Amino acid sequence: EAGVAQSPRYKIIEKRQSVAFWCNPISGHATLYWYQQILGQGPKLLIQFQNNGVVDDSQLPKDRFSAERLKGVDSTLKIQPAKLEDSAVYLCASRSQGAGTDTQYFGPGTRLTVL
Amino acid sequence: GNSVTQMEGPVTLSEEAFLTINCTYTATGYPSLFWYVQYPGEGLQLLLKATKADDKGSNKGFEATYRKETTSFHLEKGSVQVSDSAVYFCATAEGGGNKLTFGTGTQLKVEL
Repeated sequence: EAGVAQSPRYKIIEKRQSVAFWCNPISGHATLYWYQQILGQGPKLLIQFQNNGVVDDSQLPKDRFSAERLKGVDSTLKIQPAKLEDSAVYLCASRSQGAGTDTQYFGPGTRLTVL
Repeated sequence: GNSVTQMEGPVTLSEEAFLTINCTYTATGYPSLFWYVQYPGEGLQLLLKATKADDKGSNKGFEATYRKETTSFHLEKGSVQVSDSAVYFCATAEGGGNKLTFGTGTQLKVEL
């Protein structure tokens, strides 16, 4: 089966500009996650969706970050305005539902550089 | 919430050497435990997992045993190859896999 798709793979912007990332999860996966991975650190969860509803956005900096999953399939993560400290890899992951399905599958990520 | 502590890297080994990467966790309840691997320029890939105490996860010659008494999930491989060079992340999942908490990662470099 096809994996989690993300685009773009790389993005360079200036601080105070806006940027958007797109994710298409594995077909049929109801749960979708966005993670931020700063260089040298492990991924940190930003937001979790269950279908088109938000389950957990407690670590999302809501003054500048937003995310949506309008039809319960693909998702967009936006940063507006960007700061230097937002330079990171943004990872999307998805997971199916049901017993014994505790594995999250990750996309290749979008590497964001804020200058 | 959960937390994960991994040994710091980089770990540099010669090919065919034995590998251990230590991982300990703190968690409420009985989390699932994972090792993910990130090869250069690629995304995170699940390497192995264990869902309950004394379970052993294994894949590609790597193994890790869920030790509840020591809250550990150490990654081992008997003979590493150059192609194993990557960053390895230990993670716990609470809520039936709903929320992953990662360690900071351990970089492994294998030399000829």
